[in-house]
Amino acid sequence: GAGVSQSPSNKVTEKGKDVELRCDPISGHTALYWYRQSLGQGLEFLIYFQGNSAPDKSGLPSDRFSAERTGGSVSTLTIQRTQQEDSAVYLCASSASYSEQFFGPGTRLTVL
Amino acid sequence: SQELEQSPQSLIVQEGKNLTINCTSSKTLYGLYWYKQKYGEGLIFLMMLQKGGEEKSHEKITAKLDEKKQQSSLHITASQPSHAGIYLCGADMTGGNNRKLIWGLGTSLAVNP
Repeated sequence: GAGVSQSPSNKVTEKGKDVELRCDPISGHTALYWYRQSLGQGLEFLIYFQGNSAPDKSGLPSDRFSAERTGGSVSTLTIQRTQQEDSAVYLCASSASYSEQFFGPGTRLTVL
Repeated sequence: SQELEQSPQSLIVQEGKNLTINCTSSKTLYGLYWYKQKYGEGLIFLMMLQKGGEEKSHEKITAKLDEKKQQSSLHITASQPSHAGIYLCGADMTGGNNRKLIWGLGTSLAVNP
């Protein structure tokens, strides 16, 4: 498909385990964003990749969170030693320069 | 307090009625984006506004950015059940590009048939 895809769509894990969330952006989009959305909360910015520039990690809530973007395309968000407060929907978006962001369907993470 | 305030938080209207959602900032909005989200789904882009006084329409939805570029409104005419969902505004307050948008908390809209 032509849109942003994310996998898995749902992830249930136990506290303390590591998880990896994947995002496939729209082909050709240079910018990629990760957000977190919790019940009753707005979109929380996590990290932003733009081309070959160093990523803007200013939104990552702790050093348990990290993200990579390989080859300027696919991105993986990794959460180590998950905590219950990490439970949320993780949304990925991509955009071409100076244009609107296109969002994926999200990954719903539940930490038991 | 939120940098970008949305009002109302939630709205229930009868099918066929008009409604308005507002998005207000204390800072200049260099770009204002409206999105719609259905439960359990990603955000769907509706419209982008950049110029003071700009107005855009798509089907029965009209969005405006005021002359001072600090407030935007989203107006739905003759609402239908398909309009139900959460409407989010995102704003570029840094000027020049669209990274790190600031987001409102959303307005939940229900349309009763």
